[in-house]
Amino acid sequence: AQTVTQSQPEMSVQEAETVTLSCTYDTSESDYYLFWYKQPPSRQMILVIRQEAYKQQNATENRFSVNFQKAAKSFSLKISDSQLGDAAMYFCAYRGILNSGGSNYKLTFGKGTLLTVNP
Amino acid sequence: EPEVTQTPSHQVTQMGQEVILRCVPISNHLYFYWYRQILGQKVEFLVSFYNNEISEKSEIFDDQFSVERPDGSNFTLKIRSTKLEDSAMYFCASLRRGAGNEQFFGPGTRLTVL
Repeated sequence: AQTVTQSQPEMSVQEAETVTLSCTYDTSESDYYLFWYKQPPSRQMILVIRQEAYKQQNATENRFSVNFQKAAKSFSLKISDSQLGDAAMYFCAYRGILNSGGSNYKLTFGKGTLLTVNP
Repeated sequence: EPEVTQTPSHQVTQMGQEVILRCVPISNHLYFYWYRQILGQKVEFLVSFYNNEISEKSEIFDDQFSVERPDGSNFTLKIRSTKLEDSAMYFCASLRRGAGNEQFFGPGTRLTVL
């Protein structure tokens, strides 16, 4: 079974600074997807960024980027120029690849990191 | 932009009562999911549904739980006899197979069992 570990229950960052959230995972599969989801106080889960394991290039979405180290099974999220609206719970998630028999794409989540942005 | 919707936003029920949580997935999506998040804990997979049947369920999804897609648009989660420990946020998600493979989440239903 796949597991996802987020070792930082809480992090804080000053507005406009950069912060990195850590995530490690365990899997025996060679191909998979990794995601970072943001959950603000409204509790809605919002996709921040996605990484396909077969792609060596790290994904980037505006101020959000990842450092994907496949051999180390590490998938950290870097938030640059942090804004007050970035304050939220961030979840790292793993998903396997659909197989020929039809799979389910279920997500396996870590426990989350609560990010506080200080003005 | 299409979105997943869930009703109600908050449901309060007495222990032992049946509840039905409703979701309307995005219309051209083929895979449907329920997840649960107990307050302060991680999001946990409950069940996935594809081609009008359950494709996978977790150990949490016992005989008290059932899912249904009664009319081609709604996707429901029923808890037959609620327990105190069923109090949680329940998220519905849907996915259209293809490039990107993003699961779109609904806003959640907060279930409180008294």
